Amino acid sequence: GENVEQHPSTLSVQEGDSAVIKCTYSDSASNYFPWYKQELGKRPQLIIDIRSNVGEKKDQRIAVTLNKTAKHFSLHITETQPEDSAVYFCAVLGAAGNKLTFGGGTRVLVKP
Amino acid sequence: AAGVIQSPRHLIKEKRETATLKCYPIPRHDTVYWYQQGPGQDPQFLISFYEKMQSDKGSIPDRFSAQQFSDYHSELNMSSLELGDSALYFCASSLGGGEKLFFGSGTQLSVL
Repeated sequence: GENVEQHPSTLSVQEGDSAVIKCTYSDSASNYFPWYKQELGKRPQLIIDIRSNVGEKKDQRIAVTLNKTAKHFSLHITETQPEDSAVYFCAVLGAAGNKLTFGGGTRVLVKP
Repeated sequence: AAGVIQSPRHLIKEKRETATLKCYPIPRHDTVYWYQQGPGQDPQFLISFYEKMQSDKGSIPDRFSAQQFSDYHSELNMSSLELGDSALYFCASSLGGGEKLFFGSGTQLSVL
């Protein structure tokens, strides 16, 4: 099955700095790569996604890049704010679209 | 906009009891996914349904079963509960087994 690895597991940044989280995956047929933000005890919320035919996508302070050849993708958060503090999960949708496999999560702390 | 509805929000059970979790997908969504998330863990895929048929199966114990009904809602039945079943159970839905999964608020199950 799909194997998704996410790094780092924790990330502490100063407010205003950038944060970068990286994920690798194993199934080269995977074609959809979302990122979810989860606050304690709440549901994962989709913040940005990218498809395999696109190399980069940006939405305000958030961007995702995909290197399909190397099978890795990254989340970039610029000008971080305290409300960005949460756990971020990358995920990969299998080619059959039957399930989303999550990375291990990154706990991001933005210090004021 | 209507979201994924899960019930109950919290559930407390004793060991060896049974539990039933319900999920009502976003209207017109035909695909439902169940995930189990332990404290500090990433969501683990249990099972998914597309058009009332099981589409994929993950790390779901034999003590658990699930189904999707004609109105597309889904129920996760858990029997012979164990302490280790204590977790947050999320349901997610999508359209056509498609890419964007939307999560419900989850059911927090505590087995005592």
